[in-house]
Amino acid sequence: QVQLQESGPGLVKPSQTLSLTCSVSGGSISSGDYYWSWIRQHPGKGLEWLGYIYYSGTTYYNPSLKSRLTISVDTSKNQFSLKLSSVTAADTAVYYCARRTVINHEFDYWGQGTLVTVSS
Amino acid sequence: DIVVTQSPLSLPVTPGEPASISCRSSQSLLHSNGDNYLHWYLQKPGQSPQLLIYLASNRASGVPDRFSGSGSGTDFTLEINRVEAEDVGVYHCMQALQTPPTFGQGTKLEIK
Repeated sequence: QVQLQESGPGLVKPSQTLSLTCSVSGGSISSGDYYWSWIRQHPGKGLEWLGYIYYSGTTYYNPSLKSRLTISVDTSKNQFSLKLSSVTAADTAVYYCARRTVINHEFDYWGQGTLVTVSS
Repeated sequence: DIVVTQSPLSLPVTPGEPASISCRSSQSLLHSNGDNYLHWYLQKPGQSPQLLIYLASNRASGVPDRFSGSGSGTDFTLEINRVEAEDVGVYHCMQALQTPPTFGQGTKLEIK
């Protein structure tokens, strides 16, 4: 059974960089059948796709965040990571990592999510 | 970006009764391969979303057969033929035809 687990600071100061890591178990991140994704949910709101990465390192970002967002992959650790720079209170959200299939494009496995609060 | 609109946003249902959620997209989600790139997720209270239906009408592994999805093009429907207490939560539809993938606002199903 594939499992994804987010980790990282729960509190980030404004203007700093938010950094999260997703650890994947039960499957290889080097599989060519999946994209590895980040999605966030503002408190009480809907879901917002941030971006995803292929095992080769190819990335796709939401244009609304592209200038601030970097997603990277470490196949040796079976992990992928997110960095969001110059954060503001508007970046306060639950951040999820998820696996997206190449064929049908659905997010079939999700992490439990981690709340990141941006506050001084 | 493709805009996805769900209705209703709140859905109180009596156990044992049916429920239906609509999802409409601003552009057709029908791919040239014949598949509609529309997926449904259920986010139970305090949990992450879980896949219910993929490609508009295919139940994900382990999903009870009381859940069904239908539709094509721009209009899609999720139906629960007999709601159970464990079905409470927020239902999200998502288009996956174009990048960025976009979600509807979510429909909160509650038990009367």
